[in-house]
Amino acid sequence: GENVEQHPSTLSVQEGDSAVIKCTYSDSASNYFPWYKQELGKGPQLIIDIRSNVGEKKDQRIAVTLNKTAKHFSLHITETQPEDSAVYFCAASNRNRDDKIIFGKGTRLHILP
Amino acid sequence: DTGVSQDPRHKITKRGQNVTFRCDPISEHNRLYWYRQTLGQGPEFLTYFQNEAQLEKSRLLSDRFSAERPKGSFSTLEIQRTEQGDSAMYLCASSLSYLDQETQYFGPGTRLLVL
Repeated sequence: GENVEQHPSTLSVQEGDSAVIKCTYSDSASNYFPWYKQELGKGPQLIIDIRSNVGEKKDQRIAVTLNKTAKHFSLHITETQPEDSAVYFCAASNRNRDDKIIFGKGTRLHILP
Repeated sequence: DTGVSQDPRHKITKRGQNVTFRCDPISEHNRLYWYRQTLGQGPEFLTYFQNEAQLEKSRLLSDRFSAERPKGSFSTLEIQRTEQGDSAMYLCASSLSYLDQETQYFGPGTRLLVL
């Protein structure tokens, strides 16, 4: 089955700097890669997603890149703000099969003042 | 607020008791998923429904766990004879199974503590 690895587990960046979180997946059949943000006591919230037929997607300060050959995908947050502090999860799924999402273990992002 | 609601938000029970959680998905969503999340980990898939049919169950879902979605709307997850290892956040998500509508929207979760 699919396995998603995520690094780093903890990341501290100065406010205004960029943050990068990297993930790898194992199942070449995976074709949908969502990223979720989870704040304390809340459920995961989708922040951006990318399909396997696209190499890059951007939404304001957030961008995601996908390298299908290497089975790597990354989240980039620019101009970080205090409200970006949270746990971020990368994930993979196969839209043609069952949609169940396989999550990475998460990255706790701290934005330092 | 994603539109997915879960009840209760918190549950404390004693080992050996039965508990039941409810999930109300976004009204037009035909797929409903249950995940379990333990501290410091990502959510893990438990089971999912398309309308009222339960299509897949994870090996994580022991015989003590049962899920239903009787009318294809809300769903319940029951854990019988709870064990301390069942302590976790139980998350529900819903989606549309149509092309380009694959986003899963998560509820706030039910946090279970088994004493």
